Parts: sequence; structure tokens; C-alpha cells
Amino acid sequence: DIQMTQSPSSLSASIGDRVTITCRASQDIGNFLAWFQQKPGKAPKSLIYGASNLQSGVPSRFSGSGSGTEFTLTLSSLQAEDFATYYCQQYDSSPYDFGLGTKVEI
Amino acid sequence: QVQLQESGPGLVKPSETLSLTCTVSGDPITDYQWSWIRQPPGKGLQWIGGVHYSGSTNYHPSLRSRASISLDTSMNQISLRLTSATAADTAVYFCGRGGYSPDHWGQGTLVIVSS
Repeated sequence: DIQMTQSPSSLSASIGDRVTITCRASQDIGNFLAWFQQKPGKAPKSLIYGASNLQSGVPSRFSGSGSGTEFTLTLSSLQAEDFATYYCQQYDSSPYDFGLGTKVEI
Repeated sequence: QVQLQESGPGLVKPSETLSLTCTVSGDPITDYQWSWIRQPPGKGLQWIGGVHYSGSTNYHPSLRSRASISLDTSMNQISLRLTSATAADTAVYFCGRGGYSPDHWGQGTLVIVSS
């Protein structure tokens, strides 16, 4: 199985900050990497697929990059509604496991 | 706009079968692949398995012996069955559009396994 390692597990930030979350895969997954945002008590929301493609309706302050084994999710200017937990997921090969999440808080 | 709604018993006894249904509106289920994902309380996400519109399935190896996902095209529903439930199966269960990495998710339903 491919292991997905996210870092950090949590971070504190302020409105307007630039935030970067890293996801590393235990083997090459090409660009088969997705990012999700989850708020408490809610379903995850798909943000990015194919490592760098924004889902429709996702604000442009979100961006994804990387390929192979190392990927990043960047929030260029943190807004109040961005405080949430973020998960990466590889979908190169089954099982399509998620990272353990990064909680972004004030 | 596609909408997904999970339903099923909120309480299941240990050793019994956990059965859930995902009702899809806005898209025929034959146009896409679908998946089930769960989240134990306070923990991360686990992909359970997916189903192709042809009916072919793919499961997480840790659940393959107990999980079954199927389609009911007449009702536009996707079903999940998980046999021999234990407390470790207590989680919020989500269905999603996409067999690997969902782009749309249901709101989720909490299933507690307890006697």
C-alpha cells in the first residue's frame, strides 16, 4: 500500500497569512493526488484533483503543486472560512488512502 | 447539481451486518463510478471501496472480506454492506461520486456498533 504522510499535523495562522501544507507519498504516484477540506460536522469538500487542478467553484487563493512523491497545498491569503482540516489522497493505486490531515486553526 | 444522501440504521449490534444506502439525485448512477468512505469519530478518512457503473467493484484490502458495494439502477442508489460489524466499524459513512476520489459527497451518516 502507498503511505501518505502529511505535515504539519496542525498549524496556527492568522487571517491573510500564506499557508503551505505538504503531502508525501511512499512511492511515485505521478499526479494522482487530491486535496480535500473538511469543517467540523461536515462532509469533506473536494478542492484539487490531479495535484494542481482546482475544482469548479474553489477560490483561486487555493493552489496545488507537485508530482511524483511530494506535493503541496498552498493558501495564498488565509480567510476566516478556510479554518478547517485538510486531507490529501492518492488515487494512483488501490487502496486509495488519505493522509492523516492537517488542522488549520487560529 | 448532483446530490447524494446516505441512509440506514444508526445503531448496529456487534456481529450483525451494517447496511447503508446512498440515494443519488441529479445524475444517473450509470454515468459515473461511486465510492464509500468512512471516518471514525475524531479520526481521519478511510476509503472503503468503489463501484463502476458496470457493477465491478474494488475494496480496501482490510475490508475486502466483509464489504460489498452494489448498484440499484432502478432506484438510482448505491448500497454498502459490511458483515460481522465490530466497534471498530463505528464511524460516519459517506458516499461519493467517483470511484477513487470523490468530487461530490453526501452529508454522511453516523453508524454506531454497540449492543
